[in-house]
Amino acid sequence: GAGVSQSPSNKVTEKGKDVELRCDPISGHTALYWYRQSLGQGLEFLIYFQGNSAPDKSGLPSDRFSAERTGGSVSTLTIQRTQQEDSAVYLCASSPHSSGGAYNEQFFGPGTRLTVL
Amino acid sequence: SQQGEEDPQALSIQEGENATMNCSYKTSINNLQWYRQNSGRGLVHLILIRSNEREKHSGRLRVTLDTSKKSSSLLITASRAADTASYFCATAPDSGYSTLTFGKGTMLLVSP
Repeated sequence: GAGVSQSPSNKVTEKGKDVELRCDPISGHTALYWYRQSLGQGLEFLIYFQGNSAPDKSGLPSDRFSAERTGGSVSTLTIQRTQQEDSAVYLCASSPHSSGGAYNEQFFGPGTRLTVL
Repeated sequence: SQQGEEDPQALSIQEGENATMNCSYKTSINNLQWYRQNSGRGLVHLILIRSNEREKHSGRLRVTLDTSKKSSSLLITASRAADTASYFCATAPDSGYSTLTFGKGTMLLVSP
């Protein structure tokens, strides 16, 4: 079956503009995660969804960042009033586990490379 | 904050040699996972080892876990040029549910 997909693959925007990043998880996966990876760095956790609710959004760096998930499937990460420090690769992952997000492997999408000029 | 810390940060070897990467972490875990990342994009899950396991094998991969030392190692035997990638360890906490915490990774270069 299809893996996790993300769109767009690349996004260049001007400082101050809003951007919306999309993630389509593997069908049937209840857990969905957003991460951010800056150049040469590890993954920084942003938010975790179980179904449509977000039990853990502790990683969102500021109130400019928000995310939602609808129908237990597609998720969008929105960054308002983008800043240059928001430039990074944004990775989405999904997992089939229903009762504990971290107890199984995560399946990653190819990421969206965001560049804020 | 980062939980896993990999070392070395970078490793360069010849094809056919073995590559060993280490990961240390700070808090109690339910499991530890290793992932590979090519070209700075999506990660691929390699292996998961639970806290009650000490060693696990998958093909040319061997993972060990020492919970008393809060450390893990990933051994890739008979390396190939295609193994060139960044390798990350990620830990899952031992209580409640949460997400994985990733280290900064080891960049492995395998030369033909």
